[in-house]
Amino acid sequence: AQSVTQLGSHVSVSEGALVLLRCNYSSSVPPYLFWYVQYPNQGLQLLLKYTSAATLVKGINGFEAEFKKSETSFHLTKPSAHMSDAAEYFCAVSDLRGSSGSARQLTFGSGTQLTVLP
Amino acid sequence: KAGVTQTPRYLIKTRGQQVTLSCSPISGHRSVSWYQQTPGQGLQFLFEYFSETQRNKGNFPGRFSGRQFSNSRSEMNVSTLELGDSALYLCASSLAKGQNTGELFFGEGSRLTVL
Repeated sequence: AQSVTQLGSHVSVSEGALVLLRCNYSSSVPPYLFWYVQYPNQGLQLLLKYTSAATLVKGINGFEAEFKKSETSFHLTKPSAHMSDAAEYFCAVSDLRGSSGSARQLTFGSGTQLTVLP
Repeated sequence: KAGVTQTPRYLIKTRGQQVTLSCSPISGHRSVSWYQQTPGQGLQFLFEYFSETQRNKGNFPGRFSGRQFSNSRSEMNVSTLELGDSALYLCASSLAKGQNTGELFFGEGSRLTVL
């Protein structure tokens, strides 16, 4: 079984400060990992994904994440926070298995609400 | 390219009623998944359909059901609604073939309120 733990349900940063959202995962197979963002009253938008290629993954809106197998972590960072980054962020792991046609299911963390202070 | 479309966006029902939610996936996507999002339980997997077949099901009671049509559109149904079914129901589609990495594309959700 796979699981995701997001440390910190609420994170506040000042505008222009570093954003660091933590995610640790548990998986019995090499994982595919994702970060999604959710704005109020909207669905989830993919920020970035790790699919066993480069361990440092760059996403949209200046976000990036580094896959560290030894730490089973996939923390999300952004050098300089903008007010528009205020949203809820979800880390997820895929149970993708087998070739095409196999079942797919994302297991999500509990989410981190990011507040950006002026 | 149009995204995932869910209808209705908002609806209010009373206990004991049933509800049907609709999802149109991105063109060319054959896999459709449904998730329930609540403040207390977070995002929970309901089920996934591929080529009109349910391939995977989460831990929800039988009151929750779904289906997929030949054009990949999907519906989910909740019967005998309970107050605890109030949630945002999210539909997601994916390619489900070849080098797919499990990436899901989500709709904006259907917010169900049960009174």
